Amino acid sequence: GESVGLHLPTLSVQEGDNSIINCAYSNSASDYFIWYKQESGKGPQFIIDIRSNMDKRQGQRVTVLLNKTVKHLSLQIAATQPGDSAVYFCAEVYSGGYQKVTFGTGTKLQVIP
Amino acid sequence: SAVISQKPSRDICQRGTSLTIQCQVDSQVTMMFWYRQQPGQSLTLIATANQGSEATYESGFVIDKFPISRPNLTFSTLTVSNMSPEDSSIYLCSVAGGQSLGANVLTFGAGSRLTVL
Repeated sequence: GESVGLHLPTLSVQEGDNSIINCAYSNSASDYFIWYKQESGKGPQFIIDIRSNMDKRQGQRVTVLLNKTVKHLSLQIAATQPGDSAVYFCAEVYSGGYQKVTFGTGTKLQVIP
Repeated sequence: SAVISQKPSRDICQRGTSLTIQCQVDSQVTMMFWYRQQPGQSLTLIATANQGSEATYESGFVIDKFPISRPNLTFSTLTVSNMSPEDSSIYLCSVAGGQSLGANVLTFGAGSRLTVL
């Protein structure tokens, strides 16, 4: 399938290393954040989420860190595998009134075997 | 989470024509969302489609260009009208589901990749 990450920032990581993907969000009132993974030819898939009253949340091989002071979100992937190669998007949600999901610019992760 | 099917998966269209994209969900949902993903870009919300009411369009998107139908709780269509090469994008249908911490987590279809010549 055709890549959706032609012009996106790219992170190249050796297989087995840890990956850190960063995201800056825009709305200080956003109260919920989500990371999505989009493989070539597919729609984005949920990876992990975090509420604004948390600063860290762990899943299976993934950890999300939230720094509200600087409006920064990161996704850490442990022991990166070839199957992790994809474009990763963060999304912020502001729940006040109309719950709108706003996506960040995305980062393409390339895993080098 | 819901399973979403979109048709067509891809198409090549001529300038000035219109194309309707279909989105079928395997469960009843109140709101369905249509996103556009231009080449190498992130996702931008076009509109929110509620059953039984007019769709709500985001800034920069208008009903004449992107008419939406929502005839029931499992189906929606998005039409891209009078297409130009700038409309070449992936169009994604999504619904909100109760994954993990919040009801805002979106489940997406595989997308419809349109190329306008």
